[in-house]
Amino acid sequence: DSGVTQTPKHLITATGQRVTLRCSPRSGDLSVYWYQQSLDQGLQFLIQYYNGEERAKGNILERFSAQQFPDLHSELNLSSLELGDSALYFCASSLSGRTGELFFGEGSRLTVL
Amino acid sequence: GDSVTQMEGPVTLSEEAFLTINCTYTATGYPSLFWYVQYPGEGLQLLLKATKADDKGSNKGFEATYRKETTSFHLEKGSVQVSDSAVYFCALKTGANNLFFGTGTRLTVIP
Repeated sequence: DSGVTQTPKHLITATGQRVTLRCSPRSGDLSVYWYQQSLDQGLQFLIQYYNGEERAKGNILERFSAQQFPDLHSELNLSSLELGDSALYFCASSLSGRTGELFFGEGSRLTVL
Repeated sequence: GDSVTQMEGPVTLSEEAFLTINCTYTATGYPSLFWYVQYPGEGLQLLLKATKADDKGSNKGFEATYRKETTSFHLEKGSVQVSDSAVYFCALKTGANNLFFGTGTRLTVIP
């Protein structure tokens, strides 16, 4: 158990819809990352937050947005969903975001029909 | 830009065989290098790391040596077990940049 909690574990929705994925980081960790894992594109970095502030942005689509709240949990919002958004979305956390040692949740599997 | 190139999978080995998964990197600075492992149905876990040239990371019988001259960080294990079946990811981090992952190599160990 990494200490990182993601909900929901599975989500099935239709094209055009909007979903929110939630992540609670490991106790004491200030930095939260979101990654997308799909079969054809491997593990893609989406975005990183540190103590409520956006620190880095990767290949995140404009239809996607995220935030980190004062209690340090984070949400990833995916809107106008397309079939290609079907993937496993991982949240990871680390103490400072500087060392590369990340603790991953079990992921949220999104299926868009 | 920074990148990691990993050996294509899948890799299938018999129990007790020797394992090598190749990883090479391109980086503008002096990266830290990592191997993460993803067991079926789980998130990634850090397996080992090395932060400077000639460092050797090791854990659970796995080893990898940071070779600056060949820009490599190959993962090795002398005798694999069925429980080692997983996807292995090589990754690098340079300075304040984020962690860049390779595409992953699926290992299946058969009894």
